[in-house]
Amino acid sequence: DADVTQTPRNRITKTGKRIMLECSQTKGHDRMYWYRQDPGLGLRLIYYSFDVKDINKGEISDGYSVSRQAQAKFSLSLESAIPNQTALYFCATSDLRGGDSGANVLTFGAGSRLTVL
Amino acid sequence: GQNIDQPTEMTATEGAIVQINCTYQTSGFNGLFWYQQHAGEAPTFLSYNVLDGLEEKGRFSSFLSRSKGYSYLLLKELQMKDSASYLCAVLDSNYQLIWGAGTKLIIKP
Repeated sequence: DADVTQTPRNRITKTGKRIMLECSQTKGHDRMYWYRQDPGLGLRLIYYSFDVKDINKGEISDGYSVSRQAQAKFSLSLESAIPNQTALYFCATSDLRGGDSGANVLTFGAGSRLTVL
Repeated sequence: GQNIDQPTEMTATEGAIVQINCTYQTSGFNGLFWYQQHAGEAPTFLSYNVLDGLEEKGRFSSFLSRSKGYSYLLLKELQMKDSASYLCAVLDSNYQLIWGAGTKLIIKP
C-alpha cells in the first residue's frame, strides 16, 4: 500500500458542485499539505497543516477549504467548483524530525485529477 | 516577488550527461530541493542542498551556489527511464517551499 493515498484519482464534475478530495497517510508524519499543479506552472500550495489543531492558508486558498480529521487524514473541499479549478491535486506529508538533511522532504500521493466542466 | 527559473525542456542522448540549471530569487534561503516527476505521477525527492558545493548521489549530483542564487542537477550515464520532469524548489525564510515550473527532460536513444 502507498504511504500517501489520495481518493479519488480522477473526477469529472460540473460547475457549482461540491467536491471533496481525501488524503490519508501511513508515514506517521505530522505535517500535511495540499498542492495543485497546472501545466507550465510550479506546484502551488493551497493549505497546510502542522498538526490536527493547526491549519494554515497557502498561496492560493480562495475557493478551497480543508479539514484535518486526524493525524493521518487531511481532506480538501471545493465548495462550489469552477472550471479554473481544473488541475492535478497532490497531497503531501513531511516530518520535521528529519533534521537538517531530511527536514521538509515531501512525500507525495499519486495525485487526483479534477476536471470541472 | 519570489521566482524560480528553469528551462522548460531539454533533450539528451542515452548514455550522455545532462545538466539542468535552476536560478532563484527568494526572500531568504533555507535549502534547495530537486524532485523527479514522471508523467502523470507524483514528484519524488532526489536531493537537498543547503551549503555551497556538490552533493553526489549515484548517477545524480546537485550543486549549489548561494551567492549566485544558482543550482544545477547533473545526470550522468543517462537512461531512458530518466525521461521525466525535474522540479527545483527553494525553502524561503518562512520555511515555505517555492517551486519552479519544472524542466521536462527527453532522452533519445
